[in-house]
Amino acid sequence: GQQLNQSPQSMFIQEGEDVSMNCTSSSIFNTWLWYKQDPGEGPVLLIALYKAGELTSNGRLTAQFGITRKDSFLNISASIPSDVGIYFCAGSLSKNAGKSTFGDGTTLTVKP
Amino acid sequence: DAMVIQNPRYQVTQFGKPVTLSCSQTLNHNVMYWYQQKSSQAPKLLFHYYDKDFNNEADTPDNFQSRRPNTSFCFLDIRSPGLGDAAMYLCATSRDRGLYEQYFGPGTRLTVT
Repeated sequence: GQQLNQSPQSMFIQEGEDVSMNCTSSSIFNTWLWYKQDPGEGPVLLIALYKAGELTSNGRLTAQFGITRKDSFLNISASIPSDVGIYFCAGSLSKNAGKSTFGDGTTLTVKP
Repeated sequence: DAMVIQNPRYQVTQFGKPVTLSCSQTLNHNVMYWYQQKSSQAPKLLFHYYDKDFNNEADTPDNFQSRRPNTSFCFLDIRSPGLGDAAMYLCATSRDRGLYEQYFGPGTRLTVT
């Protein structure tokens, strides 16, 4: 089946720093999604990307859909303590209608 | 206002004792999903409903069953829980097939003693 490689696995940064994480796949997707999960809660959708090359922002978050359709990245600018959590990428493909493949997550720790 | 609600948030059951987890949604979405998530791993899809059409993942154990009596509610039944079934169970919805944005509930943390 399709697999997503998400990196880095974890990050420890200082408040105010910028963060970058990415997802790569051996196969193409036609939708990329980024979720954040706080401890003990369900994932929350941050950004959805639908076109190759698309660059979308949501506040301090920016995500891009790679031109090859096999990768995506998420950037967080000027991190704050509440950015702490696990960030998951997910890819979806038309033929798997209704289902997404999730990456293993990037755990972000922000030191005040 | 909560859009995807899961009850209970924490459930303790005994080894082999059937347990039911519930999910309800106020979004009127056609698709509902059940995921299993263990210790900060990626959510693992168990099955999903497109309206009343049930879609099981090939590697979902027979021990897991689901019911969707109407658009708003979906249940996860674990017939004989084992210690390995202890996990967070997440319910999610999406508006329609082909629309991949999913809205997750807060999850139910299942402990098996």
